[in-house]
Amino acid sequence: KAGVTQTPRYLIKTRGQQVTLSCSPISGHRSVSWYQQTPGQGLQFLFEYFSETQRNKGNFPGRFSGRQFSNSRSEMNVSTLELGDSALYLCASSFSRGGAWDEQFFGPGTRLTVL
Amino acid sequence: AQKVTQAQTEISVVEKEDVTLDCVYETRDTTYYLFWYKQPPSGELVFLIRRNSFDEQNEISGRYSWNFQKSTSSFNFTITASQVVDSAVYFCALRGTGNQFYFGTGTSLTVIP
Repeated sequence: KAGVTQTPRYLIKTRGQQVTLSCSPISGHRSVSWYQQTPGQGLQFLFEYFSETQRNKGNFPGRFSGRQFSNSRSEMNVSTLELGDSALYLCASSFSRGGAWDEQFFGPGTRLTVL
Repeated sequence: AQKVTQAQTEISVVEKEDVTLDCVYETRDTTYYLFWYKQPPSGELVFLIRRNSFDEQNEISGRYSWNFQKSTSSFNFTITASQVVDSAVYFCALRGTGNQFYFGTGTSLTVIP
């Protein structure tokens, strides 16, 4: 079974630009969560999508948005990039939403550098 | 509020030594789950263990063992006879109601040959 895939793996953008990151969950998984990892803040939850609906959202500005398609693939968009958005963005998928033994599987991440 | 604290930022040990990584959590949920993940330099988080709040049994898996104590809100992780391949960043995480993970800031473990 293929794992969670994220594209692209590396990205360099300049301030003010926007960026779209993609995540393909494990086949059959319907929940996709996004996390931002920075040296200063650690791993922080961005949002979760389940069945094409955003179910949970972390404490990030509106510049961060996402969506999920009918095939469960998810995209994350960051508009008007700032230097502080440089981070590793991790996507995680799970079959459902936090069932007793529902495990999240993480992708390799997209490393975004904002210049 | 949900919070996970990993007070040890960096640890260095010599190969074959035992090492314990500390994790302290805060939650108001009565049902919650605790996790440990390993993040090698490649970046992908690798699942190590999951525990639910009603199961305080310690667990051993090979050289890894976990000590869950609700009385002290701790979920510590011990590696016995450490190896160079154990070098990584280790994250403790908490999941309460919903599907959101709260991660600690991680402990960077370096095993010196």
